[in-house]
Order: sequence, then structure tokens, then C-alpha cells
Amino acid sequence: DGGITQSPKYLFRKEGQNVTLSCEQNLNHDAMYWYRQDPGQGLRLIYYSQIVNDFQKGDIAEGYSVSREKKESFPLTVTSAQKNPTAFYLCASSMGRSNYGYTFGSGTRLTVV
Amino acid sequence: AQRVTQPEKLLSVFKGAPVELKCNYSYSGSPELFWYVQYSRQRLQLLLRHISRESIKGFTADLNKGETSFHLKKPFAQEEDSAMYYCALSNTGFQKLVFGTGTRLLVSP
Repeated sequence: DGGITQSPKYLFRKEGQNVTLSCEQNLNHDAMYWYRQDPGQGLRLIYYSQIVNDFQKGDIAEGYSVSREKKESFPLTVTSAQKNPTAFYLCASSMGRSNYGYTFGSGTRLTVV
Repeated sequence: AQRVTQPEKLLSVFKGAPVELKCNYSYSGSPELFWYVQYSRQRLQLLLRHISRESIKGFTADLNKGETSFHLKKPFAQEEDSAMYYCALSNTGFQKLVFGTGTRLLVSP
């Protein structure tokens, strides 16, 4: 069954800790993205990657880091430098050009306690 | 800079009434516009693309470059249309999508 898998579904983090969100796709898509979804603010782009071993900052990259060592995987690390990390995080992938549309994962809800 | 504006946070209509979800954009180049939908407890998914000029689930959207708008329309709303709708824009060369803040459509019986 092809698609994007995000894990875990829920994640709790203590202040000052780094945490890594997983995103895996088996769609053979070249491009992958991380968005943050907050009520009333829509989706904001954190990082994106168009090919393996390359990625670019989005609009709100501060306090986050990513890697793209494999085509299938694009993990997101929320560092302690992120001042307001509690949010819903969405991963997406696409064939490369946006006119094909994105395929989204089911999301990870991160809560800082 | 690319920007997408969805002025309505909530749009509430009765079943059978026409629906128009507004979307305005700002972009200096030739944009690609999309509508995405998120039904309750489901993933965000592509509804339609302006480039394909398609009608999905009775919804249509026309790109109006003069008014920089891409409003989503449906002549007769159904209860199953209740969802969160996001308008999104990409530049011609693609690199990323910029989303609006979304409009929640509530269709009452």
C-alpha cells in the first residue's frame, strides 16, 4: 500500500529536549516537505528537499533541522531552540513538480510538557 | 513574495445552497493554484488544480489573473462537503507550495 507514514502519531517532549519526527514514503517521490499546522495560521513550510542529500529552509526553519540521506526518508528534528514547538506537523511528498500535487502524511502532534 | 489569503475562517450554509470559498493570491510571476481539502479524521488531500481545469465532487475553480483570485465554487452544497479547505499557490518552476489559512465549510441539513 503506497503512501506516506509519519510516526509517532503523538509525541510528548520535555522542555530543553530535542525530538525527531519520522517521515517515510514509498511512492518513489523525489521531493519531500515538512509543514507546521497551527489553528488559524494554516500550513507553514519548515523545510523541503527536492533531491537526496539536498534541502532548503522554508519560511519558519529556525529551531528545526532535517536530513535527506535516503529518497524515502525525511526526518525532522525539533530542537530545544524552537521556542514554541507544540503543534501539528505534516509531512508531504511530490513527484517534483507542484502541478502533480502533494501527498500528505497523517501528521504528528507534538506537545511540550 | 508569494501570499495566499482566505478571508473567511468559517463558512456555514444549508444543504442545497450554493457555496463559494474565496481565495486571493499575490505573486509576480505565473502562478499554479490548488485547492486542498481535509475531511474530519482524514489526511489533507488535493481537491483540484487550476492547470487541469477539472471539476471534482461538483467543485470548480477558475483562475482570474486580473483579480488574482481562485475562488472555489459548488452550485449545490452537500453535507459531506463539510471540511477544511485550503487554497495553495506555487511558482511556475515549482519548488514549494504556500498555503492560505484555510476556511472551514459547514453544511447543515
